[in-house]
Amino acid sequence: NAGVMQNPRHLVRRRGQEARLRCSPMKGHSHVYWYRQLPEEGLKFMVYLQKENIIDESGMPKERFSAEFPKEGPSILRIQQVVRGDSAAYFCASSAEGIGNQPQHFGDGTRLSIL
Amino acid sequence: SQQGEEDPQALSIQEGENATMNCSYKTSINNLQWYRQNSGRGLVHLILIRSNEREKHSGRLRVTLDTSKKSSSLLITASRAADTASYFCATGSIQGAQKLVFGQGTRLTINP
Repeated sequence: NAGVMQNPRHLVRRRGQEARLRCSPMKGHSHVYWYRQLPEEGLKFMVYLQKENIIDESGMPKERFSAEFPKEGPSILRIQQVVRGDSAAYFCASSAEGIGNQPQHFGDGTRLSIL
Repeated sequence: SQQGEEDPQALSIQEGENATMNCSYKTSINNLQWYRQNSGRGLVHLILIRSNEREKHSGRLRVTLDTSKKSSSLLITASRAADTASYFCATGSIQGAQKLVFGQGTRLTINP
């Protein structure tokens, strides 16, 4: 499967724990985007990364959230000290180039539930 | 605030009929894209229309863009049960085209 791979598909955490969401982009893609989707809503942009660089993090909450896309390995979205409001579906997308007129290819998401 | 607003929020039609969904946005855009999302899955890219284009076709899909009205429409002709899904428009702004801003979506149900 050469598509965007996200894992885990479902993640359950208790309040105060850490959540780590992984995303492997499509083969040959070096641009990764993270979005969050609440039930019955559209996706909201969180962060845009290129290998080893954060290009745009304007949608990331100021605290507890961080993202990285190392030279080797998947992109990681990390949420520290999770709270109930972090429950959502988190989607990763990738593209071959960082220019705007290209579609983004999405993974099937990680559904995060906070107990 | 959310850039795109979609209309209607929900649409239910009979198989074989045409489905039209509309999207409005607020700021200047570089492009507008339509995506489909099946329940519990990720988004699938359907079509991208650039700001200097007015209409685009792909199979049974027809997208129009009116930048003067800041609106777009997605027409699905000869609908099938498999078209049942949520449909989202997403805009890439001139300042940051990679950062897609999504609407709330239209939930389309095709009744057999």
